[in-house]
Amino acid sequence: DVKVTQSSRYLVKRTGEKVFLECVQDMDHENMFWYRQDPGLGLRLIYFSYDVKMKEKGDIPEGYSVSREKKERFSLILESASTNQTSMYLCASSTPEGSGSKNEQFFGPGTRLTVL
Amino acid sequence: GQNIDQPTEMTATEGAIVQINCTYQTSGFNGLFWYQQHAGEAPTFLSYNVLDGLEEKGRFSSFLSRSKGYSYLLLKELQMKDSASYLCAVRDILPGGSYIPTFGRGTSLIVHP
Repeated sequence: DVKVTQSSRYLVKRTGEKVFLECVQDMDHENMFWYRQDPGLGLRLIYFSYDVKMKEKGDIPEGYSVSREKKERFSLILESASTNQTSMYLCASSTPEGSGSKNEQFFGPGTRLTVL
Repeated sequence: GQNIDQPTEMTATEGAIVQINCTYQTSGFNGLFWYQQHAGEAPTFLSYNVLDGLEEKGRFSSFLSRSKGYSYLLLKELQMKDSASYLCAVRDILPGGSYIPTFGRGTSLIVHP
């Protein structure tokens, strides 16, 4: 059974703290993604990675950075957390476009981050 | 970039049929996905269309018209457990050349007895 796991389901941090959100997938997928999901705004792409040590900005990268040192792990970093980064964070993985499959995304359970 | 539009909320009766529409504008269309998301859970894949026409999978079907920039998800014989948010996602080409899905805001479906 395919699996994407995230390090925490719930996290509470203070303004200015450095925050690490970890995501691990066991499907040997090349592509990995970080989204945030807010009521009325849907899923918005923060960053994605199509290979180890490769990353590309999504629609809303400001205030975030990412790290992909190993194929199975993709980390989202909030360098200095702010209250407007309170959100549900979802990680996903997929095979790359053109690999012959549908390339659907498999999502982790999400991390609900509250920044006080 | 793209603009993806779907209704915010729909209600339907158990046992009925409901159609959830999605319209989009893209610069380099490369497939459309539908996902289901129950409250407090992760989205899960329902269907994928890349060519025009209807894809059927049990009680769920998805239709695509590329020339009209239009898709719909059809749910038959509705059950209470179908109450969820349904997300339309279009795979489009980004300025950097990658094909990445972008999501609409989702349609919250409420099924009542």
